[in-house]
Amino acid sequence: DGGITQSPKYLFRKEGQNVTLSCEQNLNHDAMYWYRQDPGQGLRLIYYSQIVNDFQKGDIAEGYSVSREKKESFPLTVTSAQKNPTAFYLCASSIDPGPTDTQYFGPGTRLTVL
Amino acid sequence: AQSVAQPEDQVNVAEGNPLTVKCTYSVSGNPYLFWYVQYPNRGLQFLLKYITGDNLVKGSYGFEAEFNKSQTSFHLKKPSALVSDSALYFCAVSLPGGYQKVTFGTGTKLQVIP
Repeated sequence: DGGITQSPKYLFRKEGQNVTLSCEQNLNHDAMYWYRQDPGQGLRLIYYSQIVNDFQKGDIAEGYSVSREKKESFPLTVTSAQKNPTAFYLCASSIDPGPTDTQYFGPGTRLTVL
Repeated sequence: AQSVAQPEDQVNVAEGNPLTVKCTYSVSGNPYLFWYVQYPNRGLQFLLKYITGDNLVKGSYGFEAEFNKSQTSFHLKKPSALVSDSALYFCAVSLPGGYQKVTFGTGTKLQVIP
């Protein structure tokens, strides 16, 4: 899992509650990404950030928010507006946001709604 | 639009036999292609990628893949499977030109039988 850490490993959320997933990298990578993984659906892009203080919506951004105040950190908040948040969340980074760059993934956070 | 298809949800192979995990892609233009592997409850790990040049790409852990433009395929292969190769394998595609998101397939579960 390289130099990317995600915490917590498991997270439980009550209905109507916002929760924040942490992602930290020490690889000095410019680009960072958040994906959601559901069984049989592969990975879907939630948000990505090419540089500090900049981020863009991915394919399924509704109900999620992010910030990129530091190069090494890209936290994801799952808001109460996300109606079906139970999933495995993966953070990734790459040296640059270019199309040929290898992405390095963290170990993931499994979120469950109670 | 870009997409990848992994036609097999699961592939079973006996230990020591050759293995193939299939991937086909659909893009407008010349693709960049990737293979990643995921072990249970872990993040994805990079195996190999095709950018340009030799159609046969060699990667980590003895895996290789062949880019076939006429068949729009990028199948993953290994001459002799190990039980430890059992995992979930993802094919992915991106396109040239600025930032281009990576699109992942739905994954193929490889089961190597002792």
